[in-house]
Amino acid sequence: DARVTQTPRHKVTEMGQEVTMRCQPILGHNTVFWYRQTMMQGLELLAYFRNRAPLDDSGMPKDRFSAEMPDATLATLKIQPSEPRDSAVYFCASGSQRNTGELFFGEGSRLTVL
Amino acid sequence: KQEVTQIPAALSVPEGENLVLNCSFTDSAIYNLQWFRQDPGKGLTSLLLIQSSQREQTSGRLNASLDKSSGRSTLYIAASQPGDSATYLCAVLLSSGSARQLTFGSGTQLTVLP
Repeated sequence: DARVTQTPRHKVTEMGQEVTMRCQPILGHNTVFWYRQTMMQGLELLAYFRNRAPLDDSGMPKDRFSAEMPDATLATLKIQPSEPRDSAVYFCASGSQRNTGELFFGEGSRLTVL
Repeated sequence: KQEVTQIPAALSVPEGENLVLNCSFTDSAIYNLQWFRQDPGKGLTSLLLIQSSQREQTSGRLNASLDKSSGRSTLYIAASQPGDSATYLCAVLLSSGSARQLTFGSGTQLTVLP
């Protein structure tokens, strides 16, 4: 059963701490998206990778956020230092350009920064 | 910049009714349009994907249509059930050069009353 796997599912941390969220895309997928969802803003695109190369990270606060794909099976989103306004659910999605462009989402990482 | 609007924001219907959810987008140069379902505290589940060359897709009690020229899509749910209660989001994938982005609507929260 192919699925996008995200860890951790829940994270509570204190302001100023570093947070790292991980995503394992579906095997064979070559596009990866990071989204943030809040009640006020809905779903916001943070970063987009294709073939592990970052193509768009314009939605990401550059001073504290960073996104990487160390290899084809792992995408990371790091926040350092975290702030209360970063509290949200962070979703990873993957897709294959050869497969109609359909995207598959993980269950999300719920972050609470106190 | 692509904007995606979903109307209504919330909808409550009695069980058994047929219903239509609406999605409109401003830029008709799309690659595809996806309808997702999101249950509380969960990730997004892909329901239907319509390619830009298609006019509709069907899956069980769900039928999605696409009219690119008018910038509209509808999701038709036949014989609604309480288990259909969820938030439904449409998302448009642009085909803008080498970078593709998925733009989401704000969703329609559907409640089907038993």
